[in-house]
Amino acid sequence: GENVEQHPSTLSVQEGDSAVIKCTYSDSASNYFPWYKQELGKRPQLIIDIRSNVGEKKDQRIAVTLNKTAKHFSLHITETQPEDSAVYFCAASPRSSNTGKLIFGQGTTLQVKP
Amino acid sequence: DTAVSQTPKYLVTQMGNDKSIKCEQNLGHDTMYWYKQDSKKFLKIMFSYNNKELIINETVPNRFSPKSPDKAHLNLHINSLELGDSAVYFCASSQDDGSTEAFFGQGTRLTVV
Repeated sequence: GENVEQHPSTLSVQEGDSAVIKCTYSDSASNYFPWYKQELGKRPQLIIDIRSNVGEKKDQRIAVTLNKTAKHFSLHITETQPEDSAVYFCAASPRSSNTGKLIFGQGTTLQVKP
Repeated sequence: DTAVSQTPKYLVTQMGNDKSIKCEQNLGHDTMYWYKQDSKKFLKIMFSYNNKELIINETVPNRFSPKSPDKAHLNLHINSLELGDSAVYFCASSQDDGSTEAFFGQGTRLTVV
């Protein structure tokens, strides 16, 4: 079935460093790839997304890249700040089953140390 | 105005009880979902409704029954609660069938004792 693998499961960086989280997906027909941030005790919220017709997208300190051939996409956070500490989820919207849903990765707990 | 709201936020109940979680969205979205987030933070879809019609029913015990009285509401009823049902349940909605942003409710932390 559809699957999204996310790595690493935990990531600790020093404030100001960059953080990279990687995901791979199984359904080659997937066309929508959002990233969600979930702070402790809060709901997941979209931070950036990318569609299959685009290779890269940037929004201030956050960027996402997509490699359709390899079926992987990555989240890049530059100049990390303590408030970036959270759990980050990648997701993919599979199309092969013709149903509406997002398949989430396992999550990455990012800790930014001051 | 809260876009997706679910109640209650916390629910503590004994094994064997029946409970319901309510969800409402005021975004005019066509699709609503229930996700379960376990202790390892994994988000797994349970159900998806599009315009009040069930379109996804993942491998979920039939003790879980969603009900959508209209496209702005998707409630979750759980019968005969078990310890393993303890988790955070998130309602969400999106404009279409999953290829646009999903907006999540604040979550319901269910604890079965």
